[in-house]
This record gives sequence, structure tokens and C-alpha cells, in this order.
Amino acid sequence: GQQLNQSPQSMFIQEGEDVSMNCTSSSIFNTWLWYKQDPGEGPVLLIALYKAGELTSNGRLTAQFGITRKDSFLNISASIPSDVGIYFCAGQEFGTDKLIFGTGTRLQVFP
Amino acid sequence: NAGVTQTPKFQVLKTGQSMTLQCAQDMNHNSMYWYRQDPGMGLRLIYYSASEGTTDKGEVPNGYNVSRLNKREFSLRLESAAPSQTSVYFCASSRTGTNPHEQFFGPGTRLTVL
Repeated sequence: GQQLNQSPQSMFIQEGEDVSMNCTSSSIFNTWLWYKQDPGEGPVLLIALYKAGELTSNGRLTAQFGITRKDSFLNISASIPSDVGIYFCAGQEFGTDKLIFGTGTRLQVFP
Repeated sequence: NAGVTQTPKFQVLKTGQSMTLQCAQDMNHNSMYWYRQDPGMGLRLIYYSASEGTTDKGEVPNGYNVSRLNKREFSLRLESAAPSQTSVYFCASSRTGTNPHEQFFGPGTRLTVL
């Protein structure tokens, strides 16, 4: 089945650094979503994007919906220890309620 | 609101045993989903239900059955468990129709099949 190409697979950064991750697809998406999963928990929605070119922020998080509708990125500024977790992108194709998920970016933040 | 709840949280089965994973949501959402999560594979859709009384196969439906009991509840059944079904299972729900299609997830069921 189709999965999104999400990169990088993992990141090890120091507290205070900025982080950037992205997702690309061969398909055009109607919606892009970014989720965070803490260890032992279910994914939690961070940001939802609905229009090509849209740039949306949620605190220290900023995400953009690519102009081509085939990509999205997530930036985290001034990382803190509680940013640790796995970040997933997800895309929704036109005409369906189903989401396709990326394989995740595992983030580790060191003090 | 509890959001999406799942039971049990952990389960160990022997090969060939059966079990049902339960999911309920209190957000009045129309759509519900079952995913499995395996290391390095992200989330893969097993089954989904766009509304009460309807279910459809996702990417990896083999070995599973589902029941949309009512608007709130969506269960996943393993009739004869296999070691390949060792995974973390997540239930999710969302509104149906035009945007947004944001899915809200439960805490997961960690299943081990020996």
C-alpha cells in the first residue's frame, strides 16, 4: 500500500536547536496533517493544513502545505525535552476519508 | 469527554486464540478506524467505518473482522491469532464530509501473539 516518504527517519539534537522534517508523496492530497506520538500513547494531532501554500503555526511548531499538493514540512523552533517523540505526517486524498501515514521521524532532544 | 477509549491496554494470546478489541468514542463522530502500528512501518489502516452500519477494508484487512455496533462503538476481532498479528492497535474517529478530516486516536492496545 501507499505510504508517504517522510524524512529524516530520526534526529538527535540539543535542547534549543531548531528542527525540520518533511513528507513527500507521488499523489496529490486534499489535506495534510501532522501528529506527534509520545512513548506508549496514541498519536495526537498537532497541525492540520487544508490549502496549497498554507502556512500554519501552533506555538513553536510551524507547518506548510506544499504548492504542488505533494509535500509538507514541519518545523519546531527552540526544541525542549518534551518535544521528544515520533512525528508523523498524514495525507488525505480527494474523495476519501482515509488518511495515508508517513513512516515517522523519531526525535531525541538532549539537554 | 473521554475522547476515544480502547480496551484492553495489553493482551497476550497464544496462536489460534481469538479475541475482540473494543473501541468507543464520545465525540459524536461518524467515521471510525482501526490501524496497526509496527516498527518502521508507520500506521496502516485495517478497516474503517464511514457511518453506523457500514464497514470497508483498508490496506491490511486479512485475518481481521470488524463490527460497527452503533455510532459510538467499533470493535476489531481476531478469529485465529497469528504471531504476525503482534502489533500495537489504534482506534481513531473523525467527522465525515468536507474538511476537516482530522482523526483522533485512542491510547492503543498492545497485543502479543505467542
